[in-house]
Amino acid sequence: GDSVTQMEGPVTLSEEAFLTINCTYTATGYPSLFWYVQYPGEGLQLLLKATKADDKGSNKGFEATYRKETTSFHLEKGSVQVSDSAVYFCALSVRSSNTGKLIFGQGTTLQVKP
Amino acid sequence: GAGVSQSPSNKVTEKGKDVELRCDPISGHTALYWYRQSLGQGLEFLIYFQGNSAPDKSGLPSDRFSAERTGGSVSTLTIQRTQQEDSAVYLCASSLGTGVYEQYFGPGTRLTVT
Repeated sequence: GDSVTQMEGPVTLSEEAFLTINCTYTATGYPSLFWYVQYPGEGLQLLLKATKADDKGSNKGFEATYRKETTSFHLEKGSVQVSDSAVYFCALSVRSSNTGKLIFGQGTTLQVKP
Repeated sequence: GAGVSQSPSNKVTEKGKDVELRCDPISGHTALYWYRQSLGQGLEFLIYFQGNSAPDKSGLPSDRFSAERTGGSVSTLTIQRTQQEDSAVYLCASSLGTGVYEQYFGPGTRLTVT
């Protein structure tokens, strides 16, 4: 079945460090890929998305490129801030599905220290 | 504008009791999703409603779980004869449609079964 695998956390970085959170997927159809973020005490919100191979999603300094050949959608940021501390979820939605339901990875906790 | 709202925000119930969780989607959003976030299982899809179509119930974990959506707007998730393994945060999301439309999440209902 369709699934998403994320690197395990927690990830602890110093401010201004480079961030990579790995995400790989398995899908029978042609998925759209998403990164969602959950800040402490807040609900899930969409960070970025990519709908086809080689697309790059970007938002708030975060980027992720849809790599069909490696079935990956790694999240990167060049210089993290304390305010980026949150839980990050990689997710997919298979377009052949009529529902658009999201299949999530386990989540990766990021802690950024000043 | 108003986002997705859920009530109650917290619910503590005794094992064996029935509970009802409510979701008010964003006005005009035709698609509505329920997910469950638990420590052991991560974020799981439960059920999906789209307009007047039959719901996709493929994610409901047992026949103790049911949901309805009245008038294409408010949705209620009902759990009968609650068990301790039902303890989780129940998230509702809505979107303008299916596929690549962004899903907007509510703050969730934290259910604790004692």
